[in-house]
Amino acid sequence: GENVEQHPSTLSVQEGDSAVIKCTYSDSASNYFPWYKQELGKRPQLIIDIRSNVGEKKDQRIAVTLNKTAKHFSLHITETQPEDSAVYFCAASGTGGFKTIFGAGTRLFVKA
Amino acid sequence: DTAVSQTPKYLVTQMGNDKSIKCEQNLGHDTMYWYKQDSKKFLKIMFSYNNKELIINETVPNRFSPKSPDKAHLNLHINSLELGDSAVYFCASSQGTSDTEAFFGQGTRLTVV
Repeated sequence: GENVEQHPSTLSVQEGDSAVIKCTYSDSASNYFPWYKQELGKRPQLIIDIRSNVGEKKDQRIAVTLNKTAKHFSLHITETQPEDSAVYFCAASGTGGFKTIFGAGTRLFVKA
Repeated sequence: DTAVSQTPKYLVTQMGNDKSIKCEQNLGHDTMYWYKQDSKKFLKIMFSYNNKELIINETVPNRFSPKSPDKAHLNLHINSLELGDSAVYFCASSQGTSDTEAFFGQGTRLTVV
């Protein structure tokens, strides 16, 4: 069945360093790849997304890359700040579908 | 204005009881979802509804029965609660299909004792 694997499960970085989270997906029909950030005790919220017709997308300190051939996509956060500390989820969904498959989450700690 | 709101925020109940969680969205979205987030933070889809119609049921036990009286509401009723049902339940909505941003409610933390 469909599966999204996410690594690492925990990531600790120093403030100002970069953080990279990687995901792979199994369903070749997937073409929408959102990333959600969930702060402690809060709801998941979309921070960036990418579609299969694009290889890279950037929004200030956040960027996503997609390799559709290898079924890999990654989240890059540069110049990390303590407020970036949260759980990050990658996800995959197909066009016209009604199911989004989430990765297991990465707990990011940014040390001041 | 809260886009997706669910009540209650916390629910503590005994095994065997029946409980309901309500969800409403004011975004005009066609699709609503229920997700379960367990203690390890896994976020797993349970149900998808589009225009009040059940589209996805992810092999959820029959004790869970969603109901959508209109496309702005998707409630979740759970019968005969078990200890393993303890989790945070999130309602969400999106415009059209799942290849668009999902907006989540604040979650309902269910504890079965």
